[in-house]
Amino acid sequence: QKEVEQNSGPLSVPEGAIASLNCTYSDRGSQSFFWYRQYSGKSPELIMFIYSNGDKEDGRFTAQLNKASQYVSLLIRDSQPSDSATYLCAVNLGFSGGYQKVTFGTGTKLQVIP
Amino acid sequence: EAGVAQSPRYKIIEKRQSVAFWCNPISGHATLYWYQQILGQGPKLLIQFQNNGVVDDSQLPKDRFSAERLKGVDSTLKIQPAKLEDSAVYLCASSLELGGSYEQYFGPGTRLTVT
Repeated sequence: QKEVEQNSGPLSVPEGAIASLNCTYSDRGSQSFFWYRQYSGKSPELIMFIYSNGDKEDGRFTAQLNKASQYVSLLIRDSQPSDSATYLCAVNLGFSGGYQKVTFGTGTKLQVIP
Repeated sequence: EAGVAQSPRYKIIEKRQSVAFWCNPISGHATLYWYQQILGQGPKLLIQFQNNGVVDDSQLPKDRFSAERLKGVDSTLKIQPAKLEDSAVYLCASSLELGGSYEQYFGPGTRLTVT
């Protein structure tokens, strides 16, 4: 079982709709969770992070964390064509062996159709 | 605040040649990461430094890859000799890790093509 799993997509949504991106992780001790957006040919950029169970909202983005079920999701409201990118989920597995270990998923490609 | 700097941005070499990449992290960031990202895949951690010490190099192909971080600031990643399968984008990232801040900030990457 992979440490961090994402559906590779592509996930296609019409402009203005809600895009829902999901990520599951295997280590129950994981402490913090990150969503990065990566445009084609560019490097990942951080868009959200969440540490506690529940929802965290930032503009059109909402991160949802459920530690009991070991999943984290990203909702994008009012999706725009400019949101078309690959979304990477990253999980901080916590302090292990003297350092913080972060693992990335393979990413979900989102296509927003005008 | 200046971001993570990397150079070169692009490099084309022949197999069995050597290549080096340079990274300058965000000022004050204690942790520096080198990732390899093959097209269509997520970033794969090659090596992680905390200050100038290596804390994780479990996925670094040590027979051909080496990395160092001098004085806890700049870092170089070297490949010698290169193989065709090393063609990828090499990403450098840094994080503060002070007060529980573990977000990583990425540089623009170096796209390596091995022919």
